[in-house]
Amino acid sequence: KAGVTQTPRYLIKTRGQQVTLSCSPISGHRSVSWYQQTPGQGLQFLFEYFSETQRNKGNFPGRFSGRQFSNSRSEMNVSTLELGDSALYLCASSRIGGSYDEQYFGPGTRLTVT
Amino acid sequence: AQSVTQPDIHITVSEGASLELRCNYSYGATPYLFWYVQSPGQGLQLLLKYFSGDTLVQGIKGFEAEFKRSQSSFNLRKPSVHWSDAAEYFCAVASSGNTPLVFGKGTRLSVIA
Repeated sequence: KAGVTQTPRYLIKTRGQQVTLSCSPISGHRSVSWYQQTPGQGLQFLFEYFSETQRNKGNFPGRFSGRQFSNSRSEMNVSTLELGDSALYLCASSRIGGSYDEQYFGPGTRLTVT
Repeated sequence: AQSVTQPDIHITVSEGASLELRCNYSYGATPYLFWYVQSPGQGLQLLLKYFSGDTLVQGIKGFEAEFKRSQSSFNLRKPSVHWSDAAEYFCAVASSGNTPLVFGKGTRLSVIA
């Protein structure tokens, strides 16, 4: 079956702009998690959605938001972009979420803020 | 809060040599422990996980890891490394069923001929 897909794969934005990233989970998976990966901070959890509800949230400012649709696809939005938001944004899906459930990661969206 | 330390930022091994990647965690109770691998331009792939039971866990691609509660460690091992194992390896911990994963900073593995 098809894996987790993320679009776009690469993105260049200017400071102050906003951006929306998309994630399509594996068919049948209802949980989607988002992570930010940077060389300095490593992999950091942003949020998790399950059945269109945010179930967990990491320690990021309110400029970072997300949502999940009824077909389990998810989007994350970053408003008022800062240079420090440059990162690889990874999406992971799982059947029901939680630590017991294996997460399948997409290839990521590389965001560059200039 | 739980945390994960991977002391080695970069390790280089010869093809065919054995490998051990270190991971130490900080958490009071028995955590859920994971090892992931990330190849260039790819997302993360789960190698193995430990929840409870046998402390020696077998994973994919010939990897294994051993949970040692007394040392708060969950080191990843492979008896004979292949060039295709060159990648970045991440150890992760979760404190309970519904908490998000906390990742270590990763160890980059280079394999030389």
